[in-house]
Amino acid sequence: QSALTQPASVSGSPGQSITISCTGTSSDVGSYNLVSWYQQHPGKAPKLMIYEGSKRPSGVSNRFSGSKSGNTASLTISGLQAEDEADYYCCSYAGSSTANWVFGGGTKLTVL
Amino acid sequence: EVQLVESGGGLVQPGGSLRLSCAASGFTFSSYWMHWVRQAPGKGLVWVSRINSDGSSTSYADSVKGRFTISRDNAKNTLYLQMNSLRAEDTAVYYCAREQVWYYGTWGQGTLVTVSS
Repeated sequence: QSALTQPASVSGSPGQSITISCTGTSSDVGSYNLVSWYQQHPGKAPKLMIYEGSKRPSGVSNRFSGSKSGNTASLTISGLQAEDEADYYCCSYAGSSTANWVFGGGTKLTVL
Repeated sequence: EVQLVESGGGLVQPGGSLRLSCAASGFTFSSYWMHWVRQAPGKGLVWVSRINSDGSSTSYADSVKGRFTISRDNAKNTLYLQMNSLRAEDTAVYYCAREQVWYYGTWGQGTLVTVSS
C-alpha cells in the first residue's frame, strides 16, 4: 500500500490562507469519505484536526477546514497564526484487503 | 482524562525482540479498536497494526507481517506490540492510538525503539 501524496512543504504569512493537498487512489481516498488530518509539533504526538473529511473535533479552531474531490483531499487553514507552524499528515482508511490505514508523507507548514 | 502511555522501548540489536505496552486510562478500553503507528526519525507517520475491541481480529502492515504481533489485555487496560526479528528499518517512535470509528482521536506520547548493533 503506497503512502498518500502530500507536498513536502507549504508556507504562508500570518493572516493568509493555505491549502495542503493529499492525493490517494480510488482504493483509499476516492472510495471512502474517511480522511483525517493530524497536526504534529516537533517532539510531540500527533493531534486530530479534521475527521471524516470535513468534520472538526471539539476544541479545534474553525480556521481549519477539510474537503475532498475525487481521489484528493485537502486541508485549508485560514487566518494563519504562528502556532500553526507544524507538520500536517493526512490519513485514509484503505479497506480491509490490504493495509487498513494509510498516511500521507507529511507537509511542513512554515508561517513566514 | 483520556490517556495512553507507551513503554518498553529501548535499544535492541538486529534480530532481537522487544515488547511494547500501552496503558490506557480514562475510558472504557474494551470498547475501542486500537492501533500502533510508528515514525522513523525525521520521517512521516506509518500505520503498523490494529486490533479490534475484543482482540479477535488483527491486521498488519506488510512491512511487519510475520514479525510483529499485536494483542491486548482488556482486564489490564493494556495494548501490546510484540516485535521479533527486528531490523534497522524498524527504528522509530512507536505510538499507540485509539480509533474512534475511522479516525485516531487519542494518541500516546510515543516510545522510541532503536535497532542497532
